[in-house]
Amino acid sequence: GAGVSQSPSNKVTEKGKDVELRCDPISGHTALYWYRQRLGQGLEFLIYFQGNSAPDKSGLPSDRFSAERTGESVSTLTIQRTQQEDSAVYLCASSLFSYNEQFFGPGTRLTVL
Amino acid sequence: GIQVEQSPPDLILQEGANSTLRCNFSDSVNNLQWFHQNPWGQLINLFYIPSGTKQNGRLSATTVATERYSLLYISSSQTTDSGVYFCAVRARGGGATNKLIFGTGTLLAVQP
Repeated sequence: GAGVSQSPSNKVTEKGKDVELRCDPISGHTALYWYRQRLGQGLEFLIYFQGNSAPDKSGLPSDRFSAERTGESVSTLTIQRTQQEDSAVYLCASSLFSYNEQFFGPGTRLTVL
Repeated sequence: GIQVEQSPPDLILQEGANSTLRCNFSDSVNNLQWFHQNPWGQLINLFYIPSGTKQNGRLSATTVATERYSLLYISSSQTTDSGVYFCAVRARGGGATNKLIFGTGTLLAVQP
């Protein structure tokens, strides 16, 4: 596709449920990133994938958060036992290589009731 | 870790006015990007500018890496320029430093 795509665009869930968010990076981009944006704030890094290297998970806020990436394509971010503080917009970005310009998808707005 | 500060935090302009947004960072960087987040939340890439000066239409940006700051110039502002402008940097160094560190943004409102 022409840009980074994410699904769903919106997700409303109940506290304690698990959610999966999907990201399709720009074709050919080897690096993929997940960020979180709380209301009225800047973006905070969650996790980074580069090719077949071990992911950088240093930004994941708790062990309820995990992410996978299949090769150099789709990634899923999973949040288990969601809490109200997980409510935020989750944004995915990709870049050709790790040191190149990052391009962002439209985000998934997660609301935990 | 590296700190990124943006100023001013918010700005109101009349259509047609010019403005300068500033981004200061506390350590050496090898990537700096400016983004515009529109009212629908989409992050739009404006500039990839770890150093030097670039121009794109009414927008231009300058990064002085040795003095650890970057400036975004908006000339002849339009109502569609409204939104939040973010500066984001990637710290220089090896290892797991490929993440972008975002500033807190400048909220711009352009009035007709």
